[in-house]
Amino acid sequence: DSGVTQTPKHLITATGQRVTLRCSPRSGDLSVYWYQQSLDQGLQFLIQYYNGEERAKGNILERFSAQQFPDLHSELNLSSLELGDSALYFCASSPGRYNEQFFGPGTRLTVL
Amino acid sequence: TQLLEQSPQFLSIQEGENLTVYCNSSSVFSSLQWYRQEPGEGPVLLVTVVTGGEVKKLKRLTFQFGDARKDSSLHITAAQPGDTGLYLCAGDKASSNTGKLIFGQGTTLQVKP
Repeated sequence: DSGVTQTPKHLITATGQRVTLRCSPRSGDLSVYWYQQSLDQGLQFLIQYYNGEERAKGNILERFSAQQFPDLHSELNLSSLELGDSALYFCASSPGRYNEQFFGPGTRLTVL
Repeated sequence: TQLLEQSPQFLSIQEGENLTVYCNSSSVFSSLQWYRQEPGEGPVLLVTVVTGGEVKKLKRLTFQFGDARKDSSLHITAAQPGDTGLYLCAGDKASSNTGKLIFGQGTTLQVKP
């Protein structure tokens, strides 16, 4: 158990819908990262927040957005969903030292 | 363009054999991590190397960071079926001022009993 929690574990929805994925980092970690993992693309970095502020952006689509709240939990919002958005979405948190990241169990999103 | 190239991409071996996985780049990294991921689960951090030439051992796993901090290797001695999984290397670019990690595409290891 990494100490990072993600909900829900599984999510099945239809194209065009909007979903919210939630992540709680390890106690004391200020950085939260979101990743998308699909079979053909591997682990793709989406976005990083540090203590409530956006710090780095990766291959995140405009239909996706994220935020980190004062209690440090984070949410990833995915809208206008497409079939190709089906993937595993991971959240990770880091204590900052050497940017070691601790991953949550992931949310498996299926868009039908 | 993949900044971190892992090889091989797939490896299927018999229990008891040794193996080495490589992670190469033309970029310099402040640190490099190795993760292991099982299907449907999140990657689990195995080790972090930060000094050029550093060697770390974790039971039957030996990790090495290249002298120039551009490459790394993972060697497993006497592989066991429990070692089966996806091995990912990830680096923190020396020129980056964020915590963004660059991940390799992974090496899928299958150890047959």
